[in-house]
Amino acid sequence: GAGVSQSPSNKVTEKGKDVELRCDPISGHTALYWYRQSLGQGLEFLIYFQGNSAPDKSGLPSDRFSAERTGGSVSTLTIQRTQQEDSAVYLCASSEDGQGSSTDTQYFGPGTRLTVL
Amino acid sequence: AQKITQTQPGMFVQEKEAVTLDCTYDTSDQSYGLFWYKQPSSGEMIFLIYQGSYDEQNATEGRYSLNFQKARKSANLVISASQLGDSAMYFCAMRDLTGFQKLVFGTGTRLLVSP
Repeated sequence: GAGVSQSPSNKVTEKGKDVELRCDPISGHTALYWYRQSLGQGLEFLIYFQGNSAPDKSGLPSDRFSAERTGGSVSTLTIQRTQQEDSAVYLCASSEDGQGSSTDTQYFGPGTRLTVL
Repeated sequence: AQKITQTQPGMFVQEKEAVTLDCTYDTSDQSYGLFWYKQPSSGEMIFLIYQGSYDEQNATEGRYSLNFQKARKSANLVISASQLGDSAMYFCAMRDLTGFQKLVFGTGTRLLVSP
């Protein structure tokens, strides 16, 4: 079946602009995760959704970052007033239930490369 | 807090040889899972293998095996019979199996397989 998809694959924006990144999880997966991968910080967790609610937002770096998920499916990560330090690859992952069971593996999408000029 | 340490920034191996990528972890959790992911130059994170903290046997998936030594808190990935397509970044990660679901990643090891 289809894997996790993300769009756009690349996004170049100017400092101060808002951007929206989209993630389409694997069909039927109730849990969805956003991570960020940058040269200086490695792979960092941003936010976790269980269904449409986000029980863990602890990784969002500032209030310029927000995310939502609708219909238990598609998620959008929004970055307002982008800064150069936001430049990174944003990765989305999904898993079957997110309930901590041992077999609940996270499967990743191809990522969105964000460049803030 | 959980922490993953990968001490090998880069590894070289010849085609058809075996290679071990090191991973040590630190956690106070009793129930946790350890994962290895492969990231080729295309950027996608590909799940390779999983080991649960209570699993008594080492996990194996095809050419991948995980050398799990719980007392030493290590979870090394062994790739047998390396192929050119194995050249990629490899990340070790862990998560708590009872609490929040986020993965904590190591800094990765870049593997280069030469002909």
